[in-house]
Amino acid sequence: DTEVTQTPKHLVMGMTNKKSLKCEQHMGHRAMYWYKQKAKKPPELMFVYSYEKLSINESVPSRFSPECPNSSLLNLHLHALQPEDSALYLCASSQERRWARGSDEQFFGPGTRLTVL
Amino acid sequence: RKEVEQDPGPFNVPEGATVAFNCTYSNSASQSFFWYRQDCRKEPKLLMSVYSSGNEDGRFTAQLNRASQYISLLIRDSKLSDSATYLCVVISSNTGKLIFGQGTTLQVKP
Repeated sequence: DTEVTQTPKHLVMGMTNKKSLKCEQHMGHRAMYWYKQKAKKPPELMFVYSYEKLSINESVPSRFSPECPNSSLLNLHLHALQPEDSALYLCASSQERRWARGSDEQFFGPGTRLTVL
Repeated sequence: RKEVEQDPGPFNVPEGATVAFNCTYSNSASQSFFWYRQDCRKEPKLLMSVYSSGNEDGRFTAQLNRASQYISLLIRDSKLSDSATYLCVVISSNTGKLIFGQGTTLQVKP
């Protein structure tokens, strides 16, 4: 099973709402990632979890709060977002962060398309 | 200078054509290289890893030239279904992060 799943597929929220995005993988991967992608741009890294610990935060505003409850699950909690936060939010996973020794392919979920009104 | 650079295209080619994309990277210590494919409003999907020895998967051939710091992707006998954006990806040797190129758009026409 080489699948990363994400829910919901689409989300529309107001600027005062609180919502959460969910990501799940059952490939035994120990690294999980959140990316944000705007139209016609490549994905931008937001957060990296390695062995369930936050290892990289790319200076993301605090209105985005990641959580890794266990090795298979990754959440992104959203609060007080702005319209410019509307984007495709992609979750990815990889076997482990052993880039120094070779390939470390990341597998992406289908994404959550978020619209902030 | 961007860490990973690609010609954004678009490349418009007829079915059956051979098309090649190039990508350059700036960090000579980079270790891992990939091509991802992304269809409109979908997630990126891994197409191929890229090795110094080159690798081939059916109609797709990827090459890595470390001396010149570029990666290439060759698609032979293009199909309509090859229409997509192709993302060149380099793993940063310093941080392990994926560094994406801007993507090259391919449109295969009948």
